[in-house]
Amino acid sequence: DAKTTQPPSMDCAEGRAANLPCNHSTISGNEYVYWYRQIHSQGPQYIIHGLKNNETNEMASLIITEDRKSSTLILPHATLRDTAVYYCIVSRDRGSTLGRLYFGRGTQLTVWP
Amino acid sequence: DAGVIQSPRHEVTEMGQEVTLRCKPISGHDYLFWYRQTMMRGLELLIYFNNNVPIDDSGMPEDRFSAKMPNASFSTLKIQPSEPRDSAVYFCASSPTGLTEAFFGQGTRLTVV
Repeated sequence: DAKTTQPPSMDCAEGRAANLPCNHSTISGNEYVYWYRQIHSQGPQYIIHGLKNNETNEMASLIITEDRKSSTLILPHATLRDTAVYYCIVSRDRGSTLGRLYFGRGTQLTVWP
Repeated sequence: DAGVIQSPRHEVTEMGQEVTLRCKPISGHDYLFWYRQTMMRGLELLIYFNNNVPIDDSGMPEDRFSAKMPNASFSTLKIQPSEPRDSAVYFCASSPTGLTEAFFGQGTRLTVV
């Protein structure tokens, strides 16, 4: 099972930054943190992933604490289309090329006008 | 590339009937995953393949479920006989390496009556 803890729901005003927390206190040294989201009735969509350093792409930023026990996904300017369930996942790597993604319950983010 | 393609999008069948779900992964991706999503259990990994070989099927609920990947561009998930508790959305996903992002299809909504 996924070794992450997320709040079940959050909301955010449109145009403001959405900061979604995730706790993964039992993460091991070779495990990555992945973030996905699922918009209603669609398949999950990859957002970003990281190991130790903070990461940024066109969708979001990922801030990982120095002890790697928690992370925050930041959507800098949330829009209504960002309303979705956001999953924080710790990969359970087995070997150099194998990986599995275990999805928990995620955080339902609601962006309001 | 059109992304991961699943068919059918919706399937309604009677209890006891055989159901076959189909998936075409993204060309060049070596990993293929089958997930099931329900309100009660969330998103669950059923099985995944690497280079057409099943690597881990520990998530397959019981012997009524079987999955095959006869070639790199096609996979099936079969349920025989189907039961009402199999009603769910079934997602197929593919990944280039298993360690980076996975790309999900739009899912097949299965209803067993």
